[in-house]
Amino acid sequence: SSELTQDPAVSVALGQTVRITCQGDSLRTLYATWYQQKPGQAPLLVIYGKNNRPSGIPDRFSGSNSRNTASLTITGAQAEDEGDYYCNSRDISSNHLVFGGGTKLTVL
Amino acid sequence: QEELVESGGGAVQPGGSLRLSCAASGFSFSNYGMDWVRQAPGKGLEWLAFIRYDGTKKYYADSVKGRFTISRDNSKNTLFLQMNSLRAEDTAVYYCAKELDSLRFFDWPSPHMDVWGKGTTVIVSS
Repeated sequence: SSELTQDPAVSVALGQTVRITCQGDSLRTLYATWYQQKPGQAPLLVIYGKNNRPSGIPDRFSGSNSRNTASLTITGAQAEDEGDYYCNSRDISSNHLVFGGGTKLTVL
Repeated sequence: QEELVESGGGAVQPGGSLRLSCAASGFSFSNYGMDWVRQAPGKGLEWLAFIRYDGTKKYYADSVKGRFTISRDNSKNTLFLQMNSLRAEDTAVYYCAKELDSLRFFDWPSPHMDVWGKGTTVIVSS
């Protein structure tokens, strides 16, 4: 299956650590890519490859993979980290890109 | 700085057509693969189409294959999405996005998109 599954919503207390997960068969062989999207804005690339951050992304964002699950971890969540987070990857059989359904992160 | 600006959205009746454009600036457009991604109201992201940096390879999501056509004019730094046979479920904000890596050898789309436009809205309704 090419689907990527994410929890619809996650919350975290300010300054605490939160993990957002993404499950899918493609993640057994490929890394997930992670995007942050705030209301009314375009998505922003935050993690790609094994655990790479584009310039300007704080180092509190990190990525990891285990078996068929990819995780985006925010260590010391800040109020500005609130938003929707999407994982994506490529389906090897079709070469189509697939996005997860997104996780809404609330920072309490 | 690197920038993408979409245009061409609007309201159209079911069965109609629209052509979206995405003007690129601040980077060597002809060196990068490009994608179209859309987001229906209140919904998640949906990848639609990819075109290789030289235009020689294209991929489409099943939901738009046969109705939408991605193309590019590297001489004008512009990406296009021709949308035909539009349906109500095509109502969405349409984003163009640039791949992170230049001159990628591989033909398939990369999930790493580091520059996005602000989007253009398409409404399909009678």
